[in-house]
Amino acid sequence: QVQLVESGGGVVQPGRSLRLSCVASGFTFSAYGMHWVRQAPGKGLEWVAVMSYDGINKYYADSVKGRFTISRDNSKNTLYLQMNSLRAEDTAVYYCAKDTQDYTIFGVGNYWGQGTLVTVSS
Amino acid sequence: DIQMTQSPSSLSASVGDRVTITCQASQDISNSLNWYQQKPGKAPKLLIYDASNLETGVPSRFSGSGSGTDLTFTISSLQPEDIATYYCQQYDSLPITFGQGTRLEIK
Repeated sequence: QVQLVESGGGVVQPGRSLRLSCVASGFTFSAYGMHWVRQAPGKGLEWVAVMSYDGINKYYADSVKGRFTISRDNSKNTLYLQMNSLRAEDTAVYYCAKDTQDYTIFGVGNYWGQGTLVTVSS
Repeated sequence: DIQMTQSPSSLSASVGDRVTITCQASQDISNSLNWYQQKPGKAPKLLIYDASNLETGVPSRFSGSGSGTDLTFTISSLQPEDIATYYCQQYDSLPITFGQGTRLEIK
């Protein structure tokens, strides 16, 4: 069965960096685009970024563009989110999620990780 | 960006009631819409995809309808386990955007 396990969250000071990881299993990771979605405490869901199956195409929400970088290592079945210049408003649970269709970027479906909490605070 | 306006933001209903939530898109999204249920501390769970298709294993009391800019989610007979927050999400174009959520409570 599909499993997505995020890690790397924690408490970080404003302006610092953090890298999140998401290890995937149960499907052909190299065939699917992968997304990051976040949820601030008590707030709604916000899509953050997506990377195509081959790592060539990537798209970001305006709120993180220029500060966050999505990447993947298909040999390790792992998705990453490098977060630089962190702000208090980046405080959230970060979920990785599998795209619904292979070999394209289509959308987020039913496979999400359990999330990892990032807290940006001095 | 496509804005998704979801209403109501909160809803109180009795067990057995019919519950309806709407999402209005700022432009035509055809049927490129998901509906999710989220319980506290959990990842969202997909209930409806492509606006009206029931995800495997989801009870048939959940349904979705509509296309274009006005889409609707319905619970035909509210059950106690349906207490959660519900979100619509469009995937017609990037960036993917979500409605602001509807918090459903039992009266």
